[in-house]
Amino acid sequence: AAGVIQSPRHLIKEKRETATLKCYPIPRHDTVYWYQQGPGQDPQFLISFYEKMQSDKGSIPDRFSAQQFSDYHSELNMSSLELGDSALYFCASSYRGRREQFFGPGTRLTVL
Amino acid sequence: TQLLEQSPQFLSIQEGENLTVYCNSSSVFSSLQWYRQEPGEGPVLLVTVVTGGEVKKLKRLTFQFGDARKDSSLHITAAQTGDTGLYLCAGYDNYGQNFVFGPGTRLSVLP
Repeated sequence: AAGVIQSPRHLIKEKRETATLKCYPIPRHDTVYWYQQGPGQDPQFLISFYEKMQSDKGSIPDRFSAQQFSDYHSELNMSSLELGDSALYFCASSYRGRREQFFGPGTRLTVL
Repeated sequence: TQLLEQSPQFLSIQEGENLTVYCNSSSVFSSLQWYRQEPGEGPVLLVTVVTGGEVKKLKRLTFQFGDARKDSSLHITAAQTGDTGLYLCAGYDNYGQNFVFGPGTRLSVLP
């Protein structure tokens, strides 16, 4: 079965640079969630979209923004990167809003 | 303060042993999910429990949702080395607004 696809899988950036992470949900899933997971921590919810509209907002910094496109894929844009932004970023998708979430393999962002 | 607490935080056992890990909250949850996560990978959904008192079995894994929908447990029978990983419980609180994770139980099954 098709799963959530994230790209890139690994990303290395310098401080103050920008980064864009992409997420392709499971086919027919209309809801996308973004999470940040630091070393040894549980995933922290950043933001979610349902039918291309922002549905919930968590602990997403103002330097980050995200959107969901007409084909339901989503992009997380991160600007003015800081060392503390180094983490695993997961995207998850679900069908019809708040149901079980299926996670992608993650993007490991390293900020130097 | 975590909305979901998990215990134990770490667990190391021998292959073939049984174990139970717990997920607790002072809040009511409309549903709870259990995930297993391996290092550097995304959490993989194992099960969703919805009804208070519900018991679900997935091969050697047995999941239970408390009657009051405030707690859940995961029991593994005859653990195998392939069960090693981080077990996370997660769910929406009863208002359906916040999807939260517990801190996880890191299980290590030794051969």
